[in-house]
Parts: sequence; C-alpha cells; structure tokens
Amino acid sequence: SQQGEEDPQALSIQEGENATMNCSYKTSINNLQWYRQNSGRGLVHLILIRSNEREKHSGRLRVTLDTSKKSSSLLITASRAADTASYFCATDAESEKLVFGKGTKLTVNP
Amino acid sequence: NAGVMQNPRHLVRRRGQEARLRCSPMKGHSHVYWYRQLPEEGLKFMVYLQKENIIDESGMPKERFSAEFPKEGPSILRIQQVVRGDSAAYFCASSPLAGGPANIQYFGAGTRLSVL
Repeated sequence: SQQGEEDPQALSIQEGENATMNCSYKTSINNLQWYRQNSGRGLVHLILIRSNEREKHSGRLRVTLDTSKKSSSLLITASRAADTASYFCATDAESEKLVFGKGTKLTVNP
Repeated sequence: NAGVMQNPRHLVRRRGQEARLRCSPMKGHSHVYWYRQLPEEGLKFMVYLQKENIIDESGMPKERFSAEFPKEGPSILRIQQVVRGDSAAYFCASSPLAGGPANIQYFGAGTRLSVL
C-alpha cells in the first residue's frame, strides 16, 4: 500500500503564484523527501527533511514536516513555467527502500 | 561525473519474450534500487541490491522477475516471458556507500517497456 499520499492530484496556477502540495503518510519515518519528475523523465531529488526537523528551505522551495499529523507540505514560491512537472513525496520508513505517493501534477501557465 | 545510466530508454517486446534492462550506477555508488512506475502512478519499489548481493526483494513479483548486480558491470533487471501487464517505466536509482542516515537516491531516466 502507498505510504505517501499527495494532494491535490493536480494543480494549475499562473506564473508568479505560489504552489502548495501536501503529503500524508502512515507510519513513523526517518526522513521524508520530495522529488520532481518532468514528463517522460526520471526523478530529480529536490529536498530531504529529517524526522526531527520541522522546516527546511532550498531556494524557492520550502518544506514543512509535522510528524504528529504525519504530513508534509512543499511550497514553491514565485512559480515559473519550468516548474511544470509531477511532484512526489517519498518516505523511508522501511530500511533503504523509498515509498512514493502518487504525486501531484503541477501546471504553471505562462 | 555521469549520472545513473539506464539502457535501453525504450524497449518493445512481444508477449512471451524476455526483457533485459540495464543500469549503471553513478561512479562510487554501490547501492542500486529498481522501481516500477505505471501510468499516472507513483514509483513502486521492486528490489535493492549491493554488489553481488540482493538485500531486499520484497517488491519483486515471485515469478518471471529477477535482478542482479555483479561485481563487474551494470545491474540487470530481467523479466522472462513478458505479459502486457509488465508494460511500465522501470527506474533505477543509486546511492553512495551508506555513510549517514540520509538516503538520497539518484535516479536514471528510466526504461519504458512496451509489451505488444
């Protein structure tokens, strides 16, 4: 079964707006990661947040983690058309393997 | 520094044939993972290997699927007697020798398998 579940499933915004995606998971984790996948491509690692961290920033990305609610959010500020992609959260509750959600498909309209 | 290399990028097979997917990890990485992605879905873990060892194959179908990561050469995911339901994108990822708690995996571009 899926550990991570992202919502919304799809998000369409205008360039310059912020995009927020959420991820919920079921079991305790060591880390939670966000990946991006452009259409027909592999996954690109964006950011990792450890279970003892609450917030992390990387450029235009901000990730929060609430372990009490078993949820995380990814915020992309000042979005660009090039941010159009699918975004996945992944958790590593079980040893080395990553468990992915179904992803949020983000479309940024120019 | 080349990334994770997968080949072929696209593979077409007829039902009953064999599919062999190759993955060369990033230089210096000794951990390899295989994932499968169906259309509009997330990635599903299949198998985790280190050189010459299968560490976790809990996501591998019991029949027809096998994986190896020999001492020399790429990791191979082998699917025997393919069926239409095997059509998917297969991704390989690698990570460096474990040196800390963070398990960042670096992904290849994937092999898209189509079974006719």
